[in-house]
Parts: sequence; structure tokens; C-alpha cells
Amino acid sequence: DSGVTQTPKHLITATGQRVTLRCSPRSGDLSVYWYQQSLDQGLQFLIQYYNGEERAKGNILERFSAQQFPDLHSELNLSSLELGDSALYFCASSADSTPYGYTFGSGTRLTVV
Amino acid sequence: AQKVTQAQTEISVVEKEDVTLDCVYETRDTTYYLFWYKQPPSGELVFLIRRNSFDEQNEISGRYSWNFQKSTSSFNFTITASQVVDSAVYFCALSEARTGNQFYFGTGTSLTVIP
Repeated sequence: DSGVTQTPKHLITATGQRVTLRCSPRSGDLSVYWYQQSLDQGLQFLIQYYNGEERAKGNILERFSAQQFPDLHSELNLSSLELGDSALYFCASSADSTPYGYTFGSGTRLTVV
Repeated sequence: AQKVTQAQTEISVVEKEDVTLDCVYETRDTTYYLFWYKQPPSGELVFLIRRNSFDEQNEISGRYSWNFQKSTSSFNFTITASQVVDSAVYFCALSEARTGNQFYFGTGTSLTVIP
């Protein structure tokens, strides 16, 4: 167990729907990162939050949004889902913004049908 | 431009052979970190190694070894005496202090070890 918890592990939903993926970082970690792994784009960085504030943004679509709550858990919201959004979504956490102690969760597999 | 290039898409070796997975990176930062991760069929990302830009010492861990050469911007990974359990996709990744340490992943190398 990496200490980073992602729920749900699997999600199947229809096109046009909205889903929320949840990530609980390792205890004490302030930074949360979201990554998407798709067949087309590979593993790519979406967004980072540090202690509740957005710190960095990658190739995140406008239909996607995220937030980090006061208890430091984070949610990734995906709306108006398309078939191409089917992917494995990883969350990672670290104590600060350095890569030391950078830990990935086991991922949420999203299937859009 | 791709920051991390893994030119080998797929490699197949027979069990007990040695295999080297190549990784070439690109950065203008002086402070950066390089990683290797293993992704077995179950999908999770398994951390293998982290190297910072100031430490060019090669590392050996059991059957695994890593060769970091700043002169050629390469961070290659060798598995000695491969085993069937080594079959997985292997990712090389770069993290730069300048860009907040998000990870730039290569496209991965799928390794199949044939018994």
C-alpha cells in the first residue's frame, strides 16, 4: 500500500456524463498531482495542487477541473465525457513540491461507453 | 518537443538474457531528477529508482542497474538475467525543479520475457 488512496478503482459511464475521481494523499503530504494515462497520449500531467491552491497546470481539458480540500484530499471532476476520455487516472502526492517521497496511487480506470 | 524519449517501443528477450532499456532526456534545468517506473499488467506504477542531476554515480540493485550519463543525456536501465516476472511496461520520467516537479514521462518500453 503506497499510502495514496484513489477511489473508485473502476468506473464505467456513458458519454456526456460527469464523474468525480477522489484522491487521498499520503499522511502529511501537501502536494497532489493528477495524471492521465491513455492509449493516445501516454502518461501525461494534468494538474497540481499544493495545500489547497493550484500550483501547476498541464494538458488538462476545459471539461476537466480539480480541487484540493482543507483536509488535503483532492477531487478530479470530468464532465461531458467522451469516448476518448477513457483512461487510467493516477493521483500522486508528495510532502512539498519536490520529487522526494513522490508516491503514486493505484489509479482509477475510467471507461466511457 | 518530447522531454523524455524511449525509442524502444517493445522488446522481447528469452529468460536469463540481459536487456537494456534506453532513456534519453532533454532539459535546460541544472537541477532535475530522473526516474524509472515499472507498470505490470495490473496497472499500478511501481517506483524503481530516482536520481538527481548532481549524482552521476551508477547504481546496482540486485539484477537491476542504471547508467546515468549527463554528457549524452541518457539514463539507461539494465536488467541482468531477466525473468518472466520482469515482463511489464517500463517508464522513464524527468522532473524539473523549474516546472514544479511535475513528471514528464516517456512513452514506455514494453518488455516481454519469454520462458
